[in-house]
Amino acid sequence: DTGVSQDPRHKITKRGQNVTFRCDPISEHNRLYWYRQTLGQGPEFLTYFQNEAQLEKSRLLSDRFSAERPKGSFSTLEIQRTEQGDSAMYLCASSLELAGGPGTDTQYFGPGTRLTVL
Amino acid sequence: GQNIDQPTEMTATEGAIVQINCTYQTSGFNGLFWYQQHAGEAPTFLSYNVLDGLEEKGRFSSFLSRSKGYSYLLLKELQMKDSASYLCATSDYKLSFGAGTTVTVRA
Repeated sequence: DTGVSQDPRHKITKRGQNVTFRCDPISEHNRLYWYRQTLGQGPEFLTYFQNEAQLEKSRLLSDRFSAERPKGSFSTLEIQRTEQGDSAMYLCASSLELAGGPGTDTQYFGPGTRLTVL
Repeated sequence: GQNIDQPTEMTATEGAIVQINCTYQTSGFNGLFWYQQHAGEAPTFLSYNVLDGLEEKGRFSSFLSRSKGYSYLLLKELQMKDSASYLCATSDYKLSFGAGTTVTVRA
């Protein structure tokens, strides 16, 4: 399978605990995105990497959230001191930069990590 | 900012045609994407429009009018497996999604 993979698929944690999610993009893709989706809503942008550089973070991403993409390959998203409001599906997507410029490349999504904070 | 509107729900009969409208107001625009999302699964790419007009891809077609801030996704010859949420998204490198339209296909 050469698609985007995410691990774990499900995570249940208690309020106040730290959690870390991993995303492995499609191998030749240089752009990687994190989104969050709650029930009945579309995904909301969290952050974006071009290679290893984190180019933008949404205002939704509080100081408790941090993302990394060492060596421009896989990425991790860590949430510290989780709150019940963090319960959501966390989606990772990757894309290949095209000559058409930003926004013209198709993003392919992984299966997501469903986080439940008790 | 982005403001994207699409209907919440639509119901249609197997074999019929359904048109899902999407209107948007955006400060940056490099294209409009449609994704399909089955319950509990990731969004999967359906279509991309950057120029005005109709893009046809098998049973699915997508239309864009940039001057009107309007797009639609046309699903023809509906099948039961087409029951899903359909997400409209504008792109300025990141995707800004609408809330999605849940399409239910009935026999």
